[in-house]
Formats: sequence, structure tokens, C-alpha cells
Amino acid sequence: EPEVTQTPSHQVTQMGQEVILRCVPISNHLYFYWYRQILGQKVEFLVSFYNNEISEKSEIFDDQFSVERPDGSNFTLKIRSTKLEDSAMYFCASSSGNDEQYFGPGTRLTVT
Amino acid sequence: DQQVKQNSPSLSVQEGRISILNCDYTNSMFDYFLWYKKYPAEGPTFLISISSIKDKNEDGRFTVFLNKSAKHLSLHIVPSQPGDSAVYFCAASAGGNKLVFGAGTILRVKS
Repeated sequence: EPEVTQTPSHQVTQMGQEVILRCVPISNHLYFYWYRQILGQKVEFLVSFYNNEISEKSEIFDDQFSVERPDGSNFTLKIRSTKLEDSAMYFCASSSGNDEQYFGPGTRLTVT
Repeated sequence: DQQVKQNSPSLSVQEGRISILNCDYTNSMFDYFLWYKKYPAEGPTFLISISSIKDKNEDGRFTVFLNKSAKHLSLHIVPSQPGDSAVYFCAASAGGNKLVFGAGTILRVKS
């Protein structure tokens, strides 16, 4: 069964450093998403991406964040200068457009 | 953001009995509702969904009921199995884009 994959599973970085979280969505999906879950809090929407551009972003997704689909398979989330409060689980999701989003296993980001 | 609420943080059920997980929403623009199951250190796994034009959708042991007038949906699992023990998230979308999640309900199925 096709699945969304994410790498790395755990990333530790120092405050102020750049991180790139990588995702490989399900191959025939056209819509891509990033969500995050801070420990003890809800899963929160960050950004959606379709047709090589951002279709919607939340207020969390400020200028420090960017997304890219550098080739036909990868979808990346970059945080330019990490803050302590960026520590969270980051989930990538994809859908074919019928509203059912399929999630990857997540990347745990720890900012020290 | 309290648009989707799951008011029961946890639920404990005996194996073989019915589990009923509840979810309320406030945004009348939501037109699609989903339930996800999540184990620790894993991503949410899609379980079942329902469009706002329906009031029931069934898939095996899982049934989702939607009451639009009450802005309430529920997930029924019958019979419950120990492997169903996980966190269950209700989510909603308006126009098919971002999902808004509830806080989750921890289900424990006792054998």
C-alpha cells in the first residue's frame, strides 16, 4: 500500500540554525501539506501546496518557513532560523484532492 | 482555535463492546469530516470520513454519524478490540483544503 515517507525521523538542531525536513508524498497525489504538533497540543495546519505553489498557509507559517517541491517526488519544509518554540512533530500529508489526507510518520524536531 | 472539539480526553471500553467517540464543531462552513487514529511516535492514520451531504458512513467495524443541525459527529467502533487502543482525532475541512483537528480522545480497550 502506498504511503507517505518522511526523513529524518528525528532532527536535533541548535537555535538559529536552518533545518530542512523532507517528505515523499504518495506518487499520484497532487496536494501536499505540512502540519505540526507541539507536545501536548493539537495537530496544527502549516501550509498546503498545489501546482507548484502555496495554496494556503497559517499564521504560524511566517517568513522563516518555506516549502519546495524540488523534483517530481520530494516535498520539503525549510525553517531558516530555528527557535526553541519550533520544537514539535512535523507531519507531511498528501491527497489526490478528494479530501482524505494521508500522513507520514513525522519528523521530531528538537531545537536546543 | 476551538472550531473542532473533542470534549472527552479519554474513554475506556471492554473488548467486544461498542466504543463511541464524539466530536463537536462550530464552523458551519465545514463540509467534510474525518477520523484519524494515532499511535505514539507515528503519524495520524486515516480511518473514515463523511461528507456533509450524508448523515452516516460505514466501513467494517467503523461507522461515522453526522448531525449537521447539532454540529456533532461521532465514531462508533463495534466490536471494540484491544488493537483499537490509540488516540482518535476528529478533523474537519471547508472546501477541501486544510484540516482542523480536535484535541483527540485516548481510547483504551480492555481485554
